[in-house]
Amino acid sequence: TQLLEQSPQFLSIQEGENLTVYCNSSSVFSSLQWYRQEPGEGPVLLVTVVTGGEVKKLKRLTFQFGDARKDSSLHITAAQPGDTGLYLCAGAGGGNKLVFGAGTILRVKS
Amino acid sequence: GAVVSQHPSWVICKSGTSVKIECRSLDFQATTMFWYRQFPKQSLMLMATSNEGSKATYEQGVEKDKFLINHASLTLSTLTVTSAHPEDSSFYICSFPMPGYGYTFGSGTRLTVV
Repeated sequence: TQLLEQSPQFLSIQEGENLTVYCNSSSVFSSLQWYRQEPGEGPVLLVTVVTGGEVKKLKRLTFQFGDARKDSSLHITAAQPGDTGLYLCAGAGGGNKLVFGAGTILRVKS
Repeated sequence: GAVVSQHPSWVICKSGTSVKIECRSLDFQATTMFWYRQFPKQSLMLMATSNEGSKATYEQGVEKDKFLINHASLTLSTLTVTSAHPEDSSFYICSFPMPGYGYTFGSGTRLTVV
């Protein structure tokens, strides 16, 4: 069974601070995705990383896929209150299924 | 990108009744759809994989007779929670994979059983 360990589970920071969320597994994933979810809504895809060592940037968000494709990180620079939400990493497993991490609740205080 | 329409967005029902949740792909034909369940402040837990024209595949621990899934067409999958109980109260989300794009999620259905 493929598992994704996501940390931290909860993060409360001040506006302007930087943060990193980690997603680790003992399994290799063909791709890994990061989602952001707001209360009462479905997850929204932020990025998909496919190649080991890949780095993708989305404005203040930087996503990295580990060389061995077993881990990934999401770094947010100068966090803003609008970044508040639940961040989920998910790996593409067998049968097109997505394996989700436990999620990270981010709260950015102004 | 593809749009998924999930309905209703929220529903309150009495214990013992059944509730049907619909998930439609508006501009994409999906042979496979996934149904998830999410408790407050927790991640998504896969319940079952809905396959068009065939029986759904359920994850371990999910009662197939309680959570009935029908995927009768390439654009519609339904999840029926039968004989609902308060412990079934949760946020239910559908999703389908799009090759080369990723996965698109519905907006979710908040079910409250009283």
